[in-house]
Amino acid sequence: AQTVTQSQPEMSVQEAETVTLSCTYDTSESDYYLFWYKQPPSRQMILVIRQEAYKQQNATENRFSVNFQKAAKSFSLKISDSQLGDAAMYFCAYRSPQGGSEKLVFGKGMKLTVNP
Amino acid sequence: DAGITQSPRYKITETGRQVTLMCHQTWSHSYMFWYRQDLGHGLRLIYYSAAADITDKGEVPDGYVVSRSKTENFPLTLESATRSQTSVYFCASNPIFQTGVKNIQYFGAGTRLSVL
Repeated sequence: AQTVTQSQPEMSVQEAETVTLSCTYDTSESDYYLFWYKQPPSRQMILVIRQEAYKQQNATENRFSVNFQKAAKSFSLKISDSQLGDAAMYFCAYRSPQGGSEKLVFGKGMKLTVNP
Repeated sequence: DAGITQSPRYKITETGRQVTLMCHQTWSHSYMFWYRQDLGHGLRLIYYSAAADITDKGEVPDGYVVSRSKTENFPLTLESATRSQTSVYFCASNPIFQTGVKNIQYFGAGTRLSVL
């Protein structure tokens, strides 16, 4: 079974600075999908960014980018120019590519605090 | 653009009572999921459904019952609530016709359940 590990339960960053959230995973599959979800205090789960394992190019979405290291099974999220609205819980998630396996496997999450 | 709706947002119940959490989606997504979120555990899958009348267990199914008579609804029932079922419950849905990372999961706003 796949597992996802977020080893840092909490982090903080100064507004306008850059922060990197780490995520590692364990799988025997060669192709899969990885996601970062954000959960602000409203509890709503918001998709931040996604990555297909067969793509070597790292995904980017505005201020958010990933560093995908397939061999190391690492999928870190970099937030540039941090804003107060980035303060939230962040969850890394894995999905198998197999049909009928739309389930997500989540890490335990990491709480990000943004200091003004 | 109603999306995916959970009700109630908050629920307090007593040990031993039956409680049902509702989930409704307007997209006709094939897949629907129930997760529970607990501090230190991230989101864990309770049950999921690939289509109407097709359901399957997730990681933590004990004490829960689901049904899916219609594509748009996926209620979760706690037949005899226990204090360990105090948690935040999320419903999610996923289309099946889009491939790759476009096949993303959408979440409801969650239900906070307290079992006294």
